[in-house]
Amino acid sequence: QSALTQPPSASGSPGQSVTISCTGTSSDVGGYSFVSWHQQHPGKAPKLIIYEVAKRPSGVPDRYSGSKSGNTASLTVSGLLAEDEADYYCSSYAGGNIYVFGTGTKVTVL
Amino acid sequence: EVQLVESGGGSVQPGGSLRLSCAASGFTFINYWMHWVRQAPGKGLVWVSRVTNDGSTPSYADSVNGRFTISRDNARNTLFLQMNSLRAEDTAVYYCARDYNFGMEVWGQGTTVTVSS
Repeated sequence: QSALTQPPSASGSPGQSVTISCTGTSSDVGGYSFVSWHQQHPGKAPKLIIYEVAKRPSGVPDRYSGSKSGNTASLTVSGLLAEDEADYYCSSYAGGNIYVFGTGTKVTVL
Repeated sequence: EVQLVESGGGSVQPGGSLRLSCAASGFTFINYWMHWVRQAPGKGLVWVSRVTNDGSTPSYADSVNGRFTISRDNARNTLFLQMNSLRAEDTAVYYCARDYNFGMEVWGQGTTVTVSS
């Protein structure tokens, strides 16, 4: 049950795009279409922004998009806004009723 | 409004026990799988446990297997996490979350557990 690998940080200027990777194995990210992304502001509970690799819950702006290739999933935030500054975590079903989160990425809006 | 409210956190000595609760409202609780996720101070999210909607199939992270027990009372719309043999490394904010297609869709605000002598 090793954590999925994310870059510790990412940044972009307002209006730009930032992409965060989430690398796992064929037993988790690569084996299932059950990758989710969560946004967490300091001192707050996480919020689901992407599920099943690329689907957005109701109310989540289409500036957020997800994709997957092999054992790596990605989250892209387009048209960066100041409110996008937060920590982002991927998660994946890993089979056998087990789940795993990523190491987390701090996104800074310059 | 869909809501999850955790309670039961506190300070406990190593080796001690705590029972966390998560009160659900605003949705049909029995229809959903439920998770516990924790976050140590300054660290990332870690999945702890999940239970199916009827409580028949619990699952656990290796780090808590054999020490923690997840359960639910569907009549009271409440999820539980019984934590025994607590260790310093169990210190964290514990969140309950509602499952949706193998993801954590709705989160509570968390309850803090501190294990220290």
